[in-house]
Amino acid sequence: DTEVTQTPKHLVMGMTNKKSLKCEQHMGHRAMYWYKQKAKKPPELMFVYSYEKLSINESVPSRFSPECPNSSLLNLHLHALQPEDSALYLCASSQEVGGTNEKLFFGSGTQLSVL
Amino acid sequence: KQEVTQIPAALSVPEGENLVLNCSFTDSAIYNLQWFRQDPGKGLTSLLLIQSSQREQTSGRLNASLDKSSGRSTLYIAASQPGDSATYLCAVKSNTGKLIFGQGTTLQVKP
Repeated sequence: DTEVTQTPKHLVMGMTNKKSLKCEQHMGHRAMYWYKQKAKKPPELMFVYSYEKLSINESVPSRFSPECPNSSLLNLHLHALQPEDSALYLCASSQEVGGTNEKLFFGSGTQLSVL
Repeated sequence: KQEVTQIPAALSVPEGENLVLNCSFTDSAIYNLQWFRQDPGKGLTSLLLIQSSQREQTSGRLNASLDKSSGRSTLYIAASQPGDSATYLCAVKSNTGKLIFGQGTTLQVKP
């Protein structure tokens, strides 16, 4: 199984809603990532978890709250988002954070629209 | 600060052509370089990964090269097909563990 599964595929939410994005992998990877991608732009790193601990937070606003309940799961909790937060949210995983031969495996993303 | 640039931003070729996509980076202190493919509204698929000590990697019709000293990588696609139409992104893994992406090249292969 070389898949990273993200749910939901599409999400529409109001600025007062609370929602969560979910990501799951069963490759035994110990590093998991959240990226944000706006249309026609490259992905931008948001958070990195290594061995279930947050290792990188790219100065992301607190309305985005990541959580790694176990080594296979990664959540992104959303609260009080702004319309400019509308984007494709991508989850990725790799065997480790470091190393020279670490391929990143991406999920198909959650397309988020904030109204 | 590492910067990754991809040229051209868009490319349209007839089916069957061989083509080259370019990627350049400013800091040669990299762990590896990956080429990804992305279809519209979808996630990224890793095509090839070249470690910093390697010069090239091949997979089927794809060949990627890496010249760290000049800060360049190329992705060669042989005998292009309409199914190759997508955005191709190169990404450099820095010594902080972060993956830094180029802006991508959008490829259209016309039947």
